[in-house]
Amino acid sequence: EIVMTQSPATLSVSPGERATLSCRASQTVGSNLAWYQQKPGQAPRLLIYGASTRATGIPARFSGSGSGTEFTLTISSLQSEDFAVYYCQQYNHWPPPFGQGTKVEIK
Amino acid sequence: EVQLLDSGGGLVQPGGSLRLSCAASGFTFSSYAMTWVRLAPGKGLEWVSTISANGRDTDYADSVKGRFTISRDTSQNTVHLQMNSLRAEDTALYYCAKMTHWALGALDYWGQGTLVTVSS
Repeated sequence: EIVMTQSPATLSVSPGERATLSCRASQTVGSNLAWYQQKPGQAPRLLIYGASTRATGIPARFSGSGSGTEFTLTISSLQSEDFAVYYCQQYNHWPPPFGQGTKVEIK
Repeated sequence: EVQLLDSGGGLVQPGGSLRLSCAASGFTFSSYAMTWVRLAPGKGLEWVSTISANGRDTDYADSVKGRFTISRDTSQNTVHLQMNSLRAEDTALYYCAKMTHWALGALDYWGQGTLVTVSS
């Protein structure tokens, strides 16, 4: 079973700054990696799939990169609405677990 | 427009049962895998179960294996999660989600969630 590990657990960032979130898989998942955003009281939202493809309606400030076991989500210039918890998930193998999440908070 | 409507949550005693439902619309239901994900208080997202588009393949998190059963009804465009032998640690907000592929994929649409509380 693949284990997804996200770092850091919490990221304190000022509005307008760049945020870089990491996700590591315990074995290769190719490019079958997705990123989700979840805000309090809301359902998660798909941001990135295929490691680097933005989902419909996702702003260009969100970008994903990586393949194999190392992945990165970058938010180029944080807006107030971007403060949330972010999860990665692999879907290359059964079962498809999530990482434990990275909380992006206002510095 | 894709819509997923989760229902069936509630308060149940330990050892009890609940059946969650997810009514889907706005897409070809029979072409996509469906998944249940939960969010427990103070915890992160946990994948619970997935069923393939044709219903032949299913998988479960170890934490629910043997107690939960996922199924789908193509005639009603509905996915169900039968939860038996419920435990306090099953308390969570349960989300139904559509996958981007017939077997396994990203989760591109989500329901609003249905709350399950297991307590005496």
